Amino acid sequence: GENVEQHPSTLSVQEGDSAVIKCTYSDSASNYFPWYKQELGKRPQLIIDIRSNVGEKKDQRIAVTLNKTAKHFSLHITETQPEDSAVYFCAASTPRGYSTLTFGKGTMLLVSP
Amino acid sequence: GAVVSQHPSRVICKSGTSVKIECRSLDFQATTMFWYRQFPKQSLMLMATSNEGSKATYEQGVEKDKFLINHASLTLSTLTVTSAHPEDSSFYICMGQDGTGELFFGEGSRLTVL
Repeated sequence: GENVEQHPSTLSVQEGDSAVIKCTYSDSASNYFPWYKQELGKRPQLIIDIRSNVGEKKDQRIAVTLNKTAKHFSLHITETQPEDSAVYFCAASTPRGYSTLTFGKGTMLLVSP
Repeated sequence: GAVVSQHPSRVICKSGTSVKIECRSLDFQATTMFWYRQFPKQSLMLMATSNEGSKATYEQGVEKDKFLINHASLTLSTLTVTSAHPEDSSFYICMGQDGTGELFFGEGSRLTVL
């Protein structure tokens, strides 16, 4: 099955800095790559996603890049703010009749004022 | 808009009892419902996938007789943890998928087994 590796497990930055989280996946058939932000005790919130026919997508301070050849994708957050502090999960979806998401282990992002 | 309503949000039960968690899709029909489990400071691990009207498909290592999943309608799926034990204490969360493939998480249920 699909295996998603995510790094780093923790990331501390100063407010205003950029943060980058990287993920790799194993199944070349995976075609959908969402990123979720999860605050403590709450459901994950989709913040951005990218499909395999696109190499980059941006939404204000958040961007995601995808390298299908290398099977890795990254989340970039610019001008970080304290409210960006949370756990971020990447995921990869492999179509097998229906889409099944496999999650990375998560990155705890701490943005210090 | 489309959401998945999950209840209860928190439940505490005694060891050996059963607990039922419900997920209802609002303003959409969940053709597929995914059930995840999340232990503290860990990722979301897929437990099982259910399609309306058919038996759930369980991931390796998940006991189907312990975690009973019912998806009898396009708007309701339930997870019953039978004979719960302290090691079953976790955050359980469902995710519904509509006919277009879009995904919606429930709010999650924090289960504590004493």
